Amino acid sequence: AQKVTQAQTEISVVEKEDVTLDCVYETRDTTYYLFWYKQPPSGELVFLIRRNSFDEQNEISGRYSWNFQKSTSSFNFTITASQVVDSAVYFCALSARDSNYQLIWGAGTKLIIKP
Amino acid sequence: EAGVAQSPRYKIIEKRQSVAFWCNPISGHATLYWYQQILGQGPKLLIQFQNNGVVDDSQLPKDRFSAERLKGVDSTLKIQPAKLEDSAVYLCASSGLPGFGSPLHFGNGTRLTVT
Repeated sequence: AQKVTQAQTEISVVEKEDVTLDCVYETRDTTYYLFWYKQPPSGELVFLIRRNSFDEQNEISGRYSWNFQKSTSSFNFTITASQVVDSAVYFCALSARDSNYQLIWGAGTKLIIKP
Repeated sequence: EAGVAQSPRYKIIEKRQSVAFWCNPISGHATLYWYQQILGQGPKLLIQFQNNGVVDDSQLPKDRFSAERLKGVDSTLKIQPAKLEDSAVYLCASSGLPGFGSPLHFGNGTRLTVT
């Protein structure tokens, strides 16, 4: 069975702090994709990043970075020097053959950045 | 490029009434999805279209929900009759390539309240 776990229901930090959102996944497939989406209060889910199972290189995009570790089945997301505009719910998702390639979503982590 | 358009933005109906939602995907996107998102949860796939054909509707409550994408472009999702538990945000998404690994682009969603 496939599963995505985001154990942190809610995180609250003060602006400019760094914050890491955890994502742990389960799949028996060797080929799969992992995603992060952001859902601000407006409600629209915004695609942030996709990583395939054969590419374990970490990725950095501005203040955002992602750490993919197959050994621990984790795909964690770090925001450096957080800003109030980063406040949103963040979802991690998995796509693999076992789920007929449909996205398996985590429950989301609500991130609150206080000014 | 214009994003995924959805309407209405909000809808309040009484139980046992019917309601319809409309979605226009990004131009040229062949794959269209309808998701249901209950507050505090990740999105749940209701139906996936590839052009005007259904790829996956295994989680669509077919006794009350229906969806169509007649010309392979825009789509409507209908609920008839609505139940209290249908209160949720209904999200439409599209992608340029079918299935596996292709990022989804979401609309703002329709927030449905059933009283």
